[in-house]
Amino acid sequence: SAVISQKPSRDICQRGTSLTIQCQVDSQVTMMFWYRQQPGQSLTLIATANQGSEATYESGFVIDKFPISRPNLTFSTLTVSNMSPEDSSIYLCSVTQGITNYGYTFGSGTRLTVV
Amino acid sequence: DQQVKQNSPSLSVQEGRISILNCDYTNSMFDYFLWYKKYPAEGPTFLISISSIKDKNEDGRFTVFLNKSAKHLSLHIVPSQPGDSAVYFCAASAPILNNNDMRFGAGTRLTVKP
Repeated sequence: SAVISQKPSRDICQRGTSLTIQCQVDSQVTMMFWYRQQPGQSLTLIATANQGSEATYESGFVIDKFPISRPNLTFSTLTVSNMSPEDSSIYLCSVTQGITNYGYTFGSGTRLTVV
Repeated sequence: DQQVKQNSPSLSVQEGRISILNCDYTNSMFDYFLWYKKYPAEGPTFLISISSIKDKNEDGRFTVFLNKSAKHLSLHIVPSQPGDSAVYFCAASAPILNNNDMRFGAGTRLTVKP
C-alpha cells in the first residue's frame, strides 16, 4: 500500500493566521481526501482533492476556509485559513489507488491547536 | 447528518475474552464496510472489510458480521489481546455509485486489560 508523509505532525497557531498541511505519497494515487477529526467526533470528510482542478467540498466546508491544492498525483496541501479555536482538530489526508474503497491509507495526521 | 453511528464510545474487556464493537448505518446505498484501527498519534489503519453481498468475513482473530436488514455491523476480536487496545472506526461507502468517499463513525475506544 502507499506510504504517506504528512507534515507538520502538530502545530500551535494564533487565531487569525493560516496553516498549510502537506501530504506526500510515495506513489501515484487515484484519489486523495482530507478528513478532520474533532475531539470525540467521527472522522469527517472535508473534501476530495482533484488533480489539476478545484477540490470537491462536502457540505459545511468551503474553499475560502479550506483551500486545497493537488498539483500532481502524489502531492496535496490543505490550508486552514483565518483560524479560530473551533478549528482545533486533527487533520488527516488519505489516499486510495483503486476504483473501490478497499484499504484506504491514512497519513499520521496533523494535530492543530488554535489559541 | 451522521450516517454511520458507533453508539459506544468505549469498551473494556479482559485479555483472552471476546471484544464486540458495534456499528449502525442509515444509508441503504452503502454497500462496502470497513473497520479501521487507530493508535494515538497515528493515522487510522485498515483492519478488515466486508461487501454487502456477504454477511461475514473472517481474518484471523477478527471477524466482521453484517446484518443488512438491520443496517448493523459488528467487529468481533477473539481472543482479545492488550495490543488490540486502540480506537476502532467503522466506515461505509458506496462504490457501486462510483462514490469513492467514506463515512466514518465516531469511534469506539477499546481497552484490553491484562
